[in-house]
Amino acid sequence: EVQLVQSGAEVKKPGESLKIACKASAYNNFNNHWIGWVRQMPGKGLEWIGIIYPGDSDTRYSPSFQGQVTISADKSIRTVYLQWSSLKASDTAIYYCARHGWLAALDNYFDTWGQGTRVTVSS
Amino acid sequence: EIVLTQSPGTLSLSPGERATLSCRASQSVRSTYLAWYQQKPGQAPRLLIYGASSRATGIPDRFSGSGSGTDFTLTISRLEPEDFAVYFCQQYANSPATFGQGTKVEIK
Repeated sequence: EVQLVQSGAEVKKPGESLKIACKASAYNNFNNHWIGWVRQMPGKGLEWIGIIYPGDSDTRYSPSFQGQVTISADKSIRTVYLQWSSLKASDTAIYYCARHGWLAALDNYFDTWGQGTRVTVSS
Repeated sequence: EIVLTQSPGTLSLSPGERATLSCRASQSVRSTYLAWYQQKPGQAPRLLIYGASSRATGIPDRFSGSGSGTDFTLTISRLEPEDFAVYFCQQYANSPATFGQGTKVEIK
């Protein structure tokens, strides 16, 4: 079964940095499936943050998140990351990683989702 | 950026009834690049429909999707107890991909 397993919940203070992880397992072609990140603020809907192609680390961001977060990948350990250099209270949310369904397809739906990582930013 | 507007915000129905959820796009969605997801409390979203009308693996046939251009519909033919959840549409034709705000299907 294709799986994306995310790192655990985090509680941080404003201004701190953070890197959360998403590890893929049980499918070939890790390098060739775009993996993305989606934000869900408390009680709200889904927001597309950006995606990365692990094979060459080609990365695309939503204009709303460009410059606010960084997406990266380490294909040697089949892991994708989302990081912040300086957290704000408004970053409090659940963050999901998710895999594109079609091999190498830039414009695609998410067929597999991680369980989510809850990030709480509070002084 | 394509804006997706879902209606109604909340749908109150009984088990066995038919649910019809709407997703309207601010501009035409090319190639019917429209997906539907189901999310239950405390869980990640789950893919139901892609390409506007193709069911994902393991999705029961009581779920169906239709539409093209700017108007899309998710229909649940007969609601089962496990179908009460929030449903989101997503367009992936234009970057950035965008989601609708969701429709909650609740037990009447």
